[in-house]
Amino acid sequence: GAVVSQHPSRVICKSGTSVKIECRSLDFQATTMFWYRQFPKQSLMLMATSNEGSKATYEQGVEKDKFLINHASLTLSTLTVTSAHPEDSSFYICSALSPGPFADTQYFGPGTRLTVL
Amino acid sequence: GQQLNQSPQSMFIQEGEDVSMNCTSSSIFNTWLWYKQDPGEGPVLLIALYKAGELTSNGRLTAQFGITRKDSFLNISASIPSDVGIYFCAGQLRGDKLIFGTGTRLQVFP
Repeated sequence: GAVVSQHPSRVICKSGTSVKIECRSLDFQATTMFWYRQFPKQSLMLMATSNEGSKATYEQGVEKDKFLINHASLTLSTLTVTSAHPEDSSFYICSALSPGPFADTQYFGPGTRLTVL
Repeated sequence: GQQLNQSPQSMFIQEGEDVSMNCTSSSIFNTWLWYKQDPGEGPVLLIALYKAGELTSNGRLTAQFGITRKDSFLNISASIPSDVGIYFCAGQLRGDKLIFGTGTRLQVFP
């Protein structure tokens, strides 16, 4: 159980274009999902919390107009990188929050490698 | 952003050896988690710890939630080649946000 998928797994785009990444919880409903960014040889950094039916909450320093998040259903959250630039190239990972006996647990997707030329 | 201090940064060991890594924080957490990440993949949950002092095992893995709630360690016994990867600790905050450690890169030689 607790399977999370992401699509696409890899994307290459030109500078200035927008890219949409999907995150789906396959076998459970998730009112809360999270989006992380990971640069090479670094840890995961939380970008934003995605809440179903409401606006996302962004971490300090993350531009909400650049990284658009939509959580339209209990199994799908999308991250759109608008007007992408080479410095946006990174590994984007989502997670979905699953209820647990003592605390809710985050299960992660396989990640999306974004390369902006 | 905030990160937890994880040590060692990297380890090179021989197959069959035991491994120990730890994670420390200046803040208190109510939940500690240990994840493993393979190259090009998302993190996979290994062990979750919910109570201070708790010692939990998952196969060859054992983790403990420090009594002060500011640290945790992970032990891997009798390492095998598939243990290779990056291990991350994470502390869970209110609102279920995770703060990740800096990671320990494990390399196992046959």
